[in-house]
Amino acid sequence: DTAVSQTPKYLVTQMGNDKSIKCEQNLGHDTMYWYKQDSKKFLKIMFSYNNKELIINETVPNRFSPKSPDKAHLNLHINSLELGDSAVYFCASSQDVLMNTEAFFGQGTRLTVV
Amino acid sequence: EDKVVQSPLSLVVHEGDTVTLNCSYEVTNFRSLLWYKQEKKAPTFLFMLTSSGIEKKSGRLSSILDKKELFSILNITATQTGDSAVYLCAVDNQGGKLIFGQGTELSVKP
Repeated sequence: DTAVSQTPKYLVTQMGNDKSIKCEQNLGHDTMYWYKQDSKKFLKIMFSYNNKELIINETVPNRFSPKSPDKAHLNLHINSLELGDSAVYFCASSQDVLMNTEAFFGQGTRLTVV
Repeated sequence: EDKVVQSPLSLVVHEGDTVTLNCSYEVTNFRSLLWYKQEKKAPTFLFMLTSSGIEKKSGRLSSILDKKELFSILNITATQTGDSAVYLCAVDNQGGKLIFGQGTELSVKP
């Protein structure tokens, strides 16, 4: 069973389109995250949710809107896609933001904007 | 600004060699330091370090933290081609997020 799963794995789309990436975790964790990995391999946090509540929003353009319908899901919707949005997006989860435990990552979604 | 710096950025060795990867950090509210291995896809967890001087070990991999000098090292002994990957160091700053370094790309040649 995949602990943190994201769909789709690959996404190629044109500039200006709107797209969503879905993430689900079956670990029973309370905290979920979205990270962006650019071409230089830097992983940077975008958002964090704890029990469906937004706790971190790292100066991400408001074209990016996360949604957490329940604590097992954290989806990422991106409006008006730009070339610079091309990257690999990783979803992750951890037991609880207040606890000192490791984060588990999904397989990533490679987004290419053309 | 919180920062994590890894060195070297890339490394090529031969099977059987021992390698040491470095990670230094400047973080306001340190909670723990984590090492991840990233092959083609998801970063996979290796170690979490919270206390200085206590070595964590898993097979041929080991890691240690120095909270006074603000760095950690990851050692891999008797390297194998399967160790080829990007090794990521991250610091948890108690704010609910991991601050990652830029990674060290390790290539192990047969």
